[in-house]
Formats: sequence, C-alpha cells, structure tokens
Amino acid sequence: QQQVKQSPQSLIVQKGGISIINCAYENTAFDYFPWYQQFPGKGPALLIAIRPDVSEKKEGRFTISFNKSAKQFSLHIMDSQPGDSATYFCAASSGAGSYQLTFGKGTKLSVIP
Amino acid sequence: DAGVIQSPRHEVTEMGQEVTLRCKPISGHDYLFWYRQTMMRGLELLIYFNNNVPIDDSGMPEDRFSAKMPNASFSTLKIQPSEPRDSAVYFCASSLWSSGNQETQYFGPGTRLLVL
Repeated sequence: QQQVKQSPQSLIVQKGGISIINCAYENTAFDYFPWYQQFPGKGPALLIAIRPDVSEKKEGRFTISFNKSAKQFSLHIMDSQPGDSATYFCAASSGAGSYQLTFGKGTKLSVIP
Repeated sequence: DAGVIQSPRHEVTEMGQEVTLRCKPISGHDYLFWYRQTMMRGLELLIYFNNNVPIDDSGMPEDRFSAKMPNASFSTLKIQPSEPRDSAVYFCASSLWSSGNQETQYFGPGTRLLVL
C-alpha cells in the first residue's frame, strides 16, 4: 500500500528532447507528490511538487502531470539539457504534518549532446 | 545557511565495529530524518524526529541500529555491530513544519559507508 512505482529505471534523451518519467501509487491517502533530483555524490534536492487539487504544475522546463483517478503522476522535462543528467525520484506522502515520504526507486537520466 | 551537515562523508570499517554517523540539521528546522540509499532498495526512511523526539522508527532495520537527537542541532545514527549488508549511503534531511503543510526536506550530502 505504501509503494510508489517508478519507471523507467534509466532514460537516454537527446539534447533538446523531452524526458518523461512516470510514477504510480496505490495509497489513496497520499496527498503530496514531490520530485527530487540527485546528482552523483550529492543528496536529493526538491525539484517540483504537486498536490492532487491540480492536474498540472509547471516550473520552467519542468512539469508535473497528475492523474488522480489513475493514481499516476509524471515528470516532463522539456528541452532537456546535459546539465539535467541526474537521478530523479518521485515520492509521496499523506496527511498534513506527516512527513513520511515514500520514494520511488529512481530514474537515471542521461541527456546526450 | 550551510545546509544540512553530515560527517563523516566516507567511512570504511570492518564487520563487527561500531559506526556512528553524525548530522547537523538546518537551524530552526523541527523535523529530522535519517534515510538509507542502496541500489537494490532505493531510498528508505529509517527514522524521523520532531522537536528532538523520535516519532517513527519503524524503518530501522534491526536492533543494531539506533538513533538519537540530544538537541535541536545534532543527531547521530549508530550501527553496532556493523555488517557488510549495512554498506550504503546514509542521508540526513531536515524540514520545517508550517501551517499544516508538508515542507521541503533538505538533504545533506550523505555518508558513504562501506563495511568490509
């Protein structure tokens, strides 16, 4: 019930292309869905987050799409750049004040010139 | 602010030895989390504290693991005795509760532990 399934495990995209990473969850109590970005040797850092009252959130080249009925959410990176090469984690948590983030297994993105 | 500080950054030890990982959260943050990251299991929450009090330690794998937060600016994660399967990157993160909404968790750089 607490699982968040993330795909693909790895992704190679040409510079300028669109990177798409998908996550699915089972726990309908989840109400906060952040994406974290992690560079080698660093800790994860929050990239963008969404709550289920909206279906999409955009920040610069990064967009989260959220489908509550399907219990799925995805990260789109437009105009992907080599500097975007990192591992991306989706996560979910439930309940105001509950900080137990359940993370997906991660997607290693490589953007090639 | 310097962010979340973890020490040591790297630790190599032999099986059976005690290992102590240290964390200094961001000043003013009232939540502190310990995570473990491995290729096989990804990022796992081990334990988290609110105002220095452990709230949920259900992620702590065994009694060999213990965590303390003696004050708002310091926490330790101890493994005694250590085993090769404890080899992983251990992250500490902190956050600030505000207005009943989840807030960003700020991660430290991690401690890479290798148990031989």
